[in-house]
Amino acid sequence: EIVLTQSPGTLSLSPGERATLSCRASQSVSSTFLAWYQQKPGQAPRLLIYVASSRATGIPDRFSGSGSGTDFTLTISRLEPEDFAVYYCQQYGSSPPTFGQGTKVEIK
Amino acid sequence: EVQLLESGGGLVQPGGSLRLSCAASGFTSSPYAMSWVRQAPGKGLEWISTISGSGSGTYYADSVKGRFTISRDNSRNTLYLQMNNLRAEDTALYYCAKGYDSGSYFRLFDNWGQGTLVTVSS
Repeated sequence: EIVLTQSPGTLSLSPGERATLSCRASQSVSSTFLAWYQQKPGQAPRLLIYVASSRATGIPDRFSGSGSGTDFTLTISRLEPEDFAVYYCQQYGSSPPTFGQGTKVEIK
Repeated sequence: EVQLLESGGGLVQPGGSLRLSCAASGFTSSPYAMSWVRQAPGKGLEWISTISGSGSGTYYADSVKGRFTISRDNSRNTLYLQMNNLRAEDTALYYCAKGYDSGSYFRLFDNWGQGTLVTVSS
């Protein structure tokens, strides 16, 4: 099973600032099958990024993903008020699919 | 618009059973794999089961294998999760999730329901 470790656990930033979230895998993620989801309180997760760097339908271009192998990054170029949430990475290239423990982006 | 509506959650005693349902609308579900993902209170996401579009392929996390059974009725656009021998650690919000496609991305989840809460307690 691939273990995904996200860092930091919490990121305290102000609107307009840049957010950089990390996801590290215990072994190489097959075919960069790495996704990012956003979850707001009381809501279901929403797919943001897949195959490490492709934005899902309707996702603003301030969200970008990068990385390969075992190291991946989600970047939010300029935080909007609606971006404060918990973010999860997920690998779906190996069985079982696994999620990271999440990074909370909170208002400073 | 894709919509997934879960139902069937509730309070059950340890060792008991529940059957969850997920009604899909806004798309024809038969080409797509469908999955269940759960989230314990205040915790992260855990994949627990996937079923192929035809229903011929089923996959389970070790934590539920032998206790949970996933199934689907494509004529009703509905996904099910039969949960037996429930434990306290199964307490969670259970989400139904649609696979991105029927190929390599079948465990990439592009649409999620709002979840149904299962509480296992005496």
